[in-house]
Amino acid sequence: EPEVTQTPSHQVTQMGQEVILRCVPISNHLYFYWYRQILGQKVEFLVSFYNNEISEKSEIFDDQFSVERPDGSNFTLKIRSTKLEDSAMYFCATLTSGGNEQFFGPGTRLTVL
Amino acid sequence: KQEVTQIPAALSVPEGENLVLNCSFTDSAIYNLQWFRQDPGKGLTSLLLIQSSQREQTSGRLNASLDKSSGRSTLYIAASQPGDSATYLCAVIGETSGSRLTFGEGTQLTVNP
Repeated sequence: EPEVTQTPSHQVTQMGQEVILRCVPISNHLYFYWYRQILGQKVEFLVSFYNNEISEKSEIFDDQFSVERPDGSNFTLKIRSTKLEDSAMYFCATLTSGGNEQFFGPGTRLTVL
Repeated sequence: KQEVTQIPAALSVPEGENLVLNCSFTDSAIYNLQWFRQDPGKGLTSLLLIQSSQREQTSGRLNASLDKSSGRSTLYIAASQPGDSATYLCAVIGETSGSRLTFGEGTQLTVNP
């Protein structure tokens, strides 16, 4: 069964460093999402992406964050200068055109020291 | 702003018991509601999706119902097993919120052998 994959599974970084989280969507899916879950808190929406541009973003998704599809397959989330409060589990999700069910990847645990 | 609440926050039951998890949302204008399972430190597995026009969906021992007008959904698990132990999350897509999912805090279920 097709699935969303994410790399790395765990990333440890120093405060102020840049990180790139990667997602490989299900092949025929056209809508892509990033969510995050701070330990012990709700899963929160960050951004949605369609047709090579951001279609919606939350108030969390400030200028430190960016997304792109660099090679037509991977979907990446970049955090330019990480803060301690960016420590969280980051989930990628994808949706097929005309579909309703979002499929989630296994997540990347980001730890900022 | 849509708020999703799940009750109870935690539930512990003996194996074999039937149980109900509750989800409520403040804005009844939703496109659909999705139930997920999350194992500790893992990603989100979609269990059931209910469209706004539907009343319920079933998959194996799981049955989810939706009462859109009252802003409620329930997830019924029949004949619970220790392998059902996980956190169950409810999430909705609002009619005016693009395609973002808004999540509840989850119910942490423990099924004791």
